[in-house]
Amino acid sequence: DTEVTQTPKHLVMGMTNKKSLKCEQHMGHRAMYWYKQKAKKPPELMFVYSYEKLSINESVPSRFSPECPNSSLLNLHLHALQPEDSALYLCASSQGLRQGPDQPQHFGDGTRLSIL
Amino acid sequence: SQQGEEDPQALSIQEGENATMNCSYKTSINNLQWYRQNSGRGLVHLILIRSNEREKHSGRLRVTLDTSKKSSSLLITASRAADTASYFCATVVRGSTLGRLYFGRGTQLTVWP
Repeated sequence: DTEVTQTPKHLVMGMTNKKSLKCEQHMGHRAMYWYKQKAKKPPELMFVYSYEKLSINESVPSRFSPECPNSSLLNLHLHALQPEDSALYLCASSQGLRQGPDQPQHFGDGTRLSIL
Repeated sequence: SQQGEEDPQALSIQEGENATMNCSYKTSINNLQWYRQNSGRGLVHLILIRSNEREKHSGRLRVTLDTSKKSSSLLITASRAADTASYFCATVVRGSTLGRLYFGRGTQLTVWP
C-alpha cells in the first residue's frame, strides 16, 4: 500500500468531457507533484506545488489545470483532452523544499487515463 | 530533457544471480536516487546517495556513485522473481531549490524463477 492515494485508478473520457484527478497524502508533506508517464518511458514532470503554491509549470497545455486546495490534497482538472494525453498520471509528495534537496519522493499508484 | 541515461535498457537473469544497472548523468548533482516501478504501479524510492558519498547499502541493494565520471550503479544481489520491475535513476541538480528530479530512461529487469 502506498501512502499517497490517487483516485480514480482508471478513467476513460471523451475529448469534450471535464474530469478531475485527485491525490491525497497525510504524511505532512509540503511539496506535491504531478507527473505524466507514457508506456516504457520515465515520468515527465508537469507541475510542482510547494506550500500550496505553484512553483513549477513545465509548459503544460492549459487543458490541464492543477489545484492545491490544502496541504494534503492535489487535484488535476482535465478539459478538452486529446488522444495523445492518454497516459498514467502519477502524483508524488516530499517533505518540503525548505528541508533541502535530499528528500525522496513518495508516489501514488497513478490514474490510468484513456481519451477516446 | 532527461538528465540521466541508463544501461542496459533491459536485463534478464535467473533467480539468485546478481543484477547490475548503470546510470550516467550530465551536470553536477546534489544527490542521485534509485526508484523501482512494478508494472501498473507507482514508483517506489529505493535509495538515495549524496554527492559526497561513494557507496551505500540497503539490504540486498548496493549503490555506488562516481562524481568524476558522472555515473552510478545499482547492484541487486541474490535476485528474486519479485525484483522484476523497471528501475529508474533520478538526479537532483546541484543548487536546485525546486526539488525537481531528472529521470533516466530506466532499465527493465526480468528475473526468471
